[in-house]
Order: sequence, then C-alpha cells, then structure tokens
Amino acid sequence: NAGVIQTPRHKVTGKGQEATLWCEPISGHSAVFWYRQTIVQGLEFLTYFRNQAPIDDSGMPKERFSAQMPNQSHSTLKIQSTQPQDSAVYLCASSLDWGGRGTGQLYFGEGSKLTVL
Amino acid sequence: QQKVQQSPESLIVPEGGMASLNCTSSDRNVDYFWWYRQHSGKSPKMLMSIFSNGEKEEGRFTVHLNKASLHTSLHIRDSQPSDSALYLCAASTYAQGLTFGLGTRVSVFP
Repeated sequence: NAGVIQTPRHKVTGKGQEATLWCEPISGHSAVFWYRQTIVQGLEFLTYFRNQAPIDDSGMPKERFSAQMPNQSHSTLKIQSTQPQDSAVYLCASSLDWGGRGTGQLYFGEGSKLTVL
Repeated sequence: QQKVQQSPESLIVPEGGMASLNCTSSDRNVDYFWWYRQHSGKSPKMLMSIFSNGEKEEGRFTVHLNKASLHTSLHIRDSQPSDSALYLCAASTYAQGLTFGLGTRVSVFP
C-alpha cells in the first residue's frame, strides 16, 4: 500500500500565477480531504469529497481556490492568481469510511509545499 | 477564534514522565474526537479516537472524554524521546470535515 500520494512535493510560483496540486488517495477509500497547514493558522480544513461528490467546502476561500475529484483515483486543488499568503503545506488525506457515523480515520499524504514569491 | 482549543501550547517532559494534554471544542454539535501526532517534517498520523464518555487506554496512551463539556484529554505515561512531536486534537460532527486545533508541542528530554 503506497499510501496517499501527493504531487508535486514542492512548488514555487510567482505572485499571480496558477498552482495545481494533485492527490491520489489510497485505493478503495471513499473520502478525500484537503487541508492547509501553516505555523500561524495550524491545520485548516478546506474541503472534502465522498464518493467523488463534494460534501463540505466550508473551509475553501471563495475566490481563487477550487477542488475537483474527476474520478476515484485522483483529486486536484487549484489556486488561481496565487498570493504570498497562500504559501503553506497543502495536505491531502483519505478515509475508508468517513461519514459512516464518523468513525473512519484520516490517512495523510506527505503534503505539497507551496511557496509564492 | 479556533473552534478546537488546545492547551498547553507546549510541554517539556522528562523521559519516563507523564504528559497531559487538553482539548475543548466550542462547537456543541460535535460528536467525535481524535488525537493525531505529527513528528517534525512528517504528516499527521492518528493516535487515538474516542466517541463515548469515559476513558480509553492503548499502551502508554490514555484519552478521556466528557461530552457534556466537550472536553478531551490525552495522557502519555512513561514518555519517551520518540514521543516528542506536535499533538493535534480534532473534532467533527456527523458527515462534516474534521476540524483540528493548533496543537500542543511535546518535547521529551532524556
């Protein structure tokens, strides 16, 4: 089991450019989550999908951020017109049975470190 | 304001000692609590979960939950240097995303 795979591990963009981050969940897991981690804000929930459908995007900044899950084997987080404050480690996680009374644990990938200059 | 608040922010524990960490949710709708551990440079990994009032023990780790006060605590006995990490408390309602606190950084010195 390769675990949750995230690419790229590091990405440097210039202010105003677009960044796309990829996540491959553990095979068979039905839920995929996106988080952002910084020293100041900690681990912030962005959005999650269950069976590829968006369920809760309450943490997503309404402008510039979007997430998709076109098939069960990958999800993407896209940030348009990146700003320095978007610099963070973006973590993807998957869960086998999240939402089934909330008992499923999250398995995190190693993260994608985004640096916006 | 964080919906999940943890204390203390940091903790220094001698090897073999006891570490006690606290966590409270301000969201009265939450039903489930988790503790995750994140070693430096690594991603978080689940340590323990608790969903019912009371206590749960796994090895050197014990968690308590009081659902009326939405308070959970994690206790690490016989602390080891390998326990040095950021400990994250998380809470959720049914079918919502998991909300994490800012964490307690534990340092165990030999």
